Amino acid sequence: QKEVEQDPGPLSVPEGAIVSLNCTYSNSAFQYFMWYRQYSRKGPELLMYTYSSGNKEDGRFTAQVDKSSKYISLFIRDSQPSDSATYLCAMSAPQGTYNLFFGTGTRLTVIP
Amino acid sequence: DAGITQSPRHKVTETGTPVTLRCHQTENHRYMYWYRQDPGHGLRLIHYSYGVKDTDKGEVSDGYSVSRSKTEDFLLTLESATSSQTSVYFCAIRGTSGGHSTDTQYFGPGTRLTVL
Repeated sequence: QKEVEQDPGPLSVPEGAIVSLNCTYSNSAFQYFMWYRQYSRKGPELLMYTYSSGNKEDGRFTAQVDKSSKYISLFIRDSQPSDSATYLCAMSAPQGTYNLFFGTGTRLTVIP
Repeated sequence: DAGITQSPRHKVTETGTPVTLRCHQTENHRYMYWYRQDPGHGLRLIHYSYGVKDTDKGEVSDGYSVSRSKTEDFLLTLESATSSQTSVYFCAIRGTSGGHSTDTQYFGPGTRLTVL
């Protein structure tokens, strides 16, 4: 079993829709949670970063962490064609090597 | 941008030849990472470094070696390239906020390697 599971999609939505992207994990030591956005043929770029449980909002993006369920989500409101990309979740534990554990990514297409 | 460059950006090589990929950072950060990205597998850690001459293995290190003789440069070497090493390779550095290290990482633009 992988430490981080992510539905690969692909996910296709109309412009203006609310998008929900999700990851589950198995390691209860994970405390730091990230979402990366990766455009085609580019490197991943950090989108959201949260610590422990709760919500964090940044513009149209909201990251949510539920540690009791080992479940994290990224919501995109009023989705735009420019949001079309692959979204990767990542997480790490506070001790040790500071290495990140990634999901396989969800490919999102927003149709104008 | 996090000040990370990778070279070359594209490379085609033949099975059995040695290949070296370079990662250069201008952030003066101790921690640097090499990943490969393949469909269905996501990003997998190959090797990482926590300082000059300090390196360790990641999840998929077989067939790869690394060196770090300067803070700004982290080299990934495929001693004898195989077709299974055809992939996109990303370098990353650990993030900082307010002068302190965080648990985030910032990625370079990637190197697309094809082994024929």
